[in-house]
Parts: sequence; C-alpha cells; structure tokens
Amino acid sequence: QTVVTQEPSLTVSPGGTVTLTCASSAGTVTSGFYPNWFQQKPGQAPRTLIYSTTNKHSWTPARFSGSLLGGKAALTLSGVQPEDEAEYYCLLYYGGSWVFGGGTKLTVL
Amino acid sequence: EVQLVESGGGLVQPGGSLRLSCAASGFTFSSYSMYWVRQAPGRGLEWVSYISSTSTTIYYADSLKGRFTISRDNAKNSLFLQMNSLRAEDTAIYYCAGGSIATADIDYWGQGTLVTVSS
Repeated sequence: QTVVTQEPSLTVSPGGTVTLTCASSAGTVTSGFYPNWFQQKPGQAPRTLIYSTTNKHSWTPARFSGSLLGGKAALTLSGVQPEDEAEYYCLLYYGGSWVFGGGTKLTVL
Repeated sequence: EVQLVESGGGLVQPGGSLRLSCAASGFTFSSYSMYWVRQAPGRGLEWVSYISSTSTTIYYADSLKGRFTISRDNAKNSLFLQMNSLRAEDTAIYYCAGGSIATADIDYWGQGTLVTVSS
C-alpha cells in the first residue's frame, strides 16, 4: 500500500513564500509520477493548479509553481495572498493507480 | 467552457446499488481520459477509478474489491459509475474528473454528487 505524504498544516504570512511537499513511500518522486497539485476551498470542488510536475493551467495564478525538490514533488507559493488559504492536495501516478496525499491545510495569517 | 456535471447521488441502504452519471460539455469528451474521485465527509481525496478515452483501459482502486464499474458513452458525452454492495464507508462526495489521454494528469473537475449509505 503506497502512501503519499504531505505536511498536515502550514502557516504563512501574506506576501510570504511557502513550499508544500509531496513524498512517496515508494521512494524518489520523478516526473514519471506525473505530480499534480490541487487546491480545494471549503464547500468547493478541487481545482487543478499544476499538472505534470511543473505545468500551469490558464487559470493558475503566476505565484504558484511546481517542481521536484529533494526527491519530492513541491508546490511553491510566492507572494501569498489571503485567498490562497485552502487545502492543497498532491496526486501521484503509480502505473495503473493514483494516490492522493493527505492534504496540506494552508493558513494565511 | 469545460463543464462536468454529476448526478445520481442520494441516500441508499447498506448493500444497495447506485449509478452515478457525469455529463460533459465544452471539450472533446472522446479525446479525454476520465476519472472518479471521492471524498468522505471531513476527509481527503481518494482516487476511485480510471477509464481511457476508448474504454480500452480501466483501473480501480484496490479498496473497491470489484464492487464498482466505470463506463462511458462517448456518443452521449457521458461517464458512469455503477456502485454495488454499498457500505457505510462509501459515503462521500463523488467527483467526475477528466484529463489528457497522453499523460496521467487530472485537468478538470465536476462539482460532485453526494452519496450517503445509511439505514
């Protein structure tokens, strides 16, 4: 049973920078895991921010970026805005199955 | 505008069945892989199932143990999830989602439909 691990919670000040990570119990995360990042606000459906490790959708604010960092997938928010307070989930692909991380609750304070 | 609209959720007794539907519009449905993802109340996201654009390839989460069946009708731009032998732990919001056929990414999400399994 593969486990994908994210920080349960993080707090960042408005205008600050924060990095969320996504680790796999199977080892180093590579682009072959097609890391995706989703944002979910209370009472709303998830929204895709980042796909295939680094790619943004047209609706993804420029302050969000995806990368691989120290064997993990990472989502960096630079110049955090109050509206970025949300739950963030990563998703990794394991060749016929997909596993979500447990989510990171990001507080902007 | 891409739209995915789920329907078919509701209250069902343990052991019962339910069929979810997802109506797609605003994109070429037959050119996309489709997914079902669920979220139990107050919990995180859980991948449920995947179907390729031509229905040739289908995958399920191991935890479902053959109780769910995914299908699609490209002529009607629709995705389905047949759920049998439902259990209390299947209670969740079920989201329909779509992604590129060339990768394993999820790009678009529906608003979800709530399934409650309770007596």
